[in-house]
Amino acid sequence: DAGVIQSPRHEVTEMGQEVTLRCKPISGHDYLFWYRQTMMRGLELLIYFNNNVPIDDSGMPEDRFSAKMPNASFSTLKIQPSEPRDSAVYFCASDSNSGNTIYFGEGSWLTVV
Amino acid sequence: AQRVTQPEKLLSVFKGAPVELKCNYSYSGSPELFWYVQYSRQRLQLLLRHISRESIKGFTADLNKGETSFHLKKPFAQEEDSAMYYCALRGSSNTGKLIFGQGTTLQVKP
Repeated sequence: DAGVIQSPRHEVTEMGQEVTLRCKPISGHDYLFWYRQTMMRGLELLIYFNNNVPIDDSGMPEDRFSAKMPNASFSTLKIQPSEPRDSAVYFCASDSNSGNTIYFGEGSWLTVV
Repeated sequence: AQRVTQPEKLLSVFKGAPVELKCNYSYSGSPELFWYVQYSRQRLQLLLRHISRESIKGFTADLNKGETSFHLKKPFAQEEDSAMYYCALRGSSNTGKLIFGQGTTLQVKP
């Protein structure tokens, strides 16, 4: 398996624009997580899904953020409108029901100017 | 509430010196504890977990329930150990969710 695949790897956008980050989890994994990494706050869990259903979105900063998982092999994290303080690395991760560990993607590096 | 605290943002040591990265947690049940490592601009990867009681790349970590700690140790640091290290906790309800500490950057100087 190629692992968790994220796109885009890097994105630079202007404030106010819509940003969509994409994730393909490892095949067969039931859990999908979106994390945000910043220097100030470290690694924060934004939202996670189990069997495509959102379980906990308490980490989503505000209404500008939304996440979907239309099927077992695809998820999106959308920011609309984007702001400079959203600049961060966004990681997607997945896990099987065995719960041994979670596997991370390489991250999407977002810069909002 | 579940919480993971890594009190040091940066730990700088010389090559060959012992290393201890501190991790304390707050959880009322029986947690699973993990250490993840992130080398420069790469993805996070699992280093070790307390259930396995293993040593990876010379690193070990022991769960101390009395002190609610899971410190990461290595007797002799190598330059290639320079990275960001995250301690993480998963609750006994096994929801899959991992809560991470803020991370500690380990810098090993030659």
